[in-house]
Amino acid sequence: GAVVSQHPSRVICKSGTSVKIECRSLDFQATTMFWYRQFPKQSLMLMATSNEGSKATYEQGVEKDKFLINHASLTLSTLTVTSAHPEDSSFYICSARDKDRFFPTEAFFGQGTRLTVV
Amino acid sequence: AQTVTQSQPEMSVQEAETVTLSCTYDTSESDYYLFWYKQPPSRQMILVIRQEAYKQQNATENRFSVNFQKAAKSFSLKISDSQLGDAAMYFCAYRSRHSGNTPLVFGKGTRLSVIA
Repeated sequence: GAVVSQHPSRVICKSGTSVKIECRSLDFQATTMFWYRQFPKQSLMLMATSNEGSKATYEQGVEKDKFLINHASLTLSTLTVTSAHPEDSSFYICSARDKDRFFPTEAFFGQGTRLTVV
Repeated sequence: AQTVTQSQPEMSVQEAETVTLSCTYDTSESDYYLFWYKQPPSRQMILVIRQEAYKQQNATENRFSVNFQKAAKSFSLKISDSQLGDAAMYFCAYRSRHSGNTPLVFGKGTRLSVIA
């Protein structure tokens, strides 16, 4: 199976600072990556979709200037939470897909990042 | 827009028994994929089983099987011979087949407890 590595698994930052979360596909080329946010005991809510070399497409209500997504290579996508505030505290999960290699529907998930803003 | 509904926030099952988790969805599309994902306490999302809407045969993966009723837009998951390791959040998900870039749409999840 394919592996998606997400780093860091946990991060605590001060209010007003920025934090970057990395999502790497280790053994396949991730032509598309998805970023989700999950609040405690809730479902995964899609934040944005990114294709390698293109600008990310954000879901309605997600501030693109606050949640910066970069998908500059086929193996790495980053989510930067800028000027973080306590309400940004959440669990963030990335998911990657290689439409040319795997069963077209297959999507692989990272381990997630628990962000706490204090 | 497609929606996925899981009407059971919590379920419990005795070890070795069988449990069925419910899922309904709403879509105007005729071709799509359906999934069940498991999220254990580690929060790593694990694919349990998938179903292609154009296939009438219900998917099975070892102890896991689905009852796919396309006309009723229902997609339930049956877990047989439940094990302690099955305890987790289970999410039903939908994905359109029309594009390789479409994301998964998740239900709100069902928390499954397995009683020893």
